Amino acid sequence: DAGVTQSPTHLIKTRGQQVTLRCSPISGHKSVSWYQQVLGQGPQFIFQYYEKEERGRGNFPDRFSARQFPNYSSELNVNALLLGDSALYLCASSLNEKLFFGSGTQLSVL
Amino acid sequence: GENVEQHPSTLSVQEGDSAVIKCTYSDSASNYFPWYKQELGKGPQLIIDIRSNVGEKKDQRIAVTLNKTAKHFSLHITETQPEDSAVYFCAASMGRFNKFYFGSGTKLNVKP
Repeated sequence: DAGVTQSPTHLIKTRGQQVTLRCSPISGHKSVSWYQQVLGQGPQFIFQYYEKEERGRGNFPDRFSARQFPNYSSELNVNALLLGDSALYLCASSLNEKLFFGSGTQLSVL
Repeated sequence: GENVEQHPSTLSVQEGDSAVIKCTYSDSASNYFPWYKQELGKGPQLIIDIRSNVGEKKDQRIAVTLNKTAKHFSLHITETQPEDSAVYFCAASMGRFNKFYFGSGTKLNVKP
């Protein structure tokens, strides 16, 4: 069975640009969450979606937005990138309360 | 909100020894406590989890204990092997549709 897939794996952007990260959940999982992991720290919650509806939002500015599509895949958008947005962005799909992560998108903002 | 603290930040053990990683949480409403293993260049992998109605759970060389009264839970790895070397994260959640709060991670190094 395919796990959570994310694309792209790596991305380099400059300050002020916009970025879109993509995620496909495990087949049969209807919930997708996004986490930001800064080097040396644990993942921090950004968003959760279930059946295309936002179920939770973390303490991130409005520059961060997301959506979930009818096939349960998801996109995370970040506008007006700052240097501090450089991190590993993790997507996770969940069944009941168990959370399964993809390998992430490493975003570098220069 | 919930606050999860994890100790130690680094742990070095000899192959075959046991390793213990401890976490505390602040919100008594948290009822689900997973542990993740993260290898370099990969996302966190769920290795074991425990719900608040259970005090201990074991899966081969890995075990997790939970003390609800003291609000702490621990990961125990016995007979460590070099392939156990990774960063381990604890987390706490109030269940489905709730955010997960992660500890800051423990880098485990198992020396052959």
